[in-house]
Amino acid sequence: DVKVTQSSRYLVKRTGEKVFLECVQDMDHENMFWYRQDPGLGLRLIYFSYDVKMKEKGDIPEGYSVSREKKERFSLILESASTNQTSMYLCASSFKSQHEQFFGPGTRLTVL
Amino acid sequence: KNQVEQSPQSLIILEGKNCTLQCNYTVSPFSNLRWYKQDTGRGPVSLTIMTFSENTKSNGRYTATLDADTKQSSLHITASQLSDSASYICVVTGLILTGGGNKLTFGTGTQLKVEL
Repeated sequence: DVKVTQSSRYLVKRTGEKVFLECVQDMDHENMFWYRQDPGLGLRLIYFSYDVKMKEKGDIPEGYSVSREKKERFSLILESASTNQTSMYLCASSFKSQHEQFFGPGTRLTVL
Repeated sequence: KNQVEQSPQSLIILEGKNCTLQCNYTVSPFSNLRWYKQDTGRGPVSLTIMTFSENTKSNGRYTATLDADTKQSSLHITASQLSDSASYICVVTGLILTGGGNKLTFGTGTQLKVEL
């Protein structure tokens, strides 16, 4: 079974803090994705990566950056957290771009 | 603009009853359509995938249909169980003609609650 894990299930941070969200997959997938999910808006793509050290902006990259130093690990960074970044963050991975995306359990981030 | 619209937004049914969820999309060119189930506090899990040439696909008590001409899909749940309570998300993959690759467009989901 594919397993995608995320470093935290719940996280509470203060405005202005730097926040790291980590995602690890164990199936040697090429592609990894970061989404945020908000009520009534569905999942929105923040960034994705199709190879180590490669990254592409998604639909809402502002205020975020990512890092992929190893194939199995994809990190989402909030350089200076703001209250409007309070959300559920979901990481996903897929073998190729047209293949099924497998999602992690999500991190519910609250920025106070 | 690529869009995926789902209806109803929410639904409450009694255990043992059937229900049908709808998904309309405007994604073009079309590659495939997936239905995901997302339990509260969890990540989405794929239920079915359908390509252009497929009309119907089943996964246990879940049956998905696709009409590529009208750009509509449905997810039918038979003999519902309490564990079916979840959000059901329709996701359409479109082809990116310039540069290749795929782009996913997500619906906002139908929140299903199954009650005793």
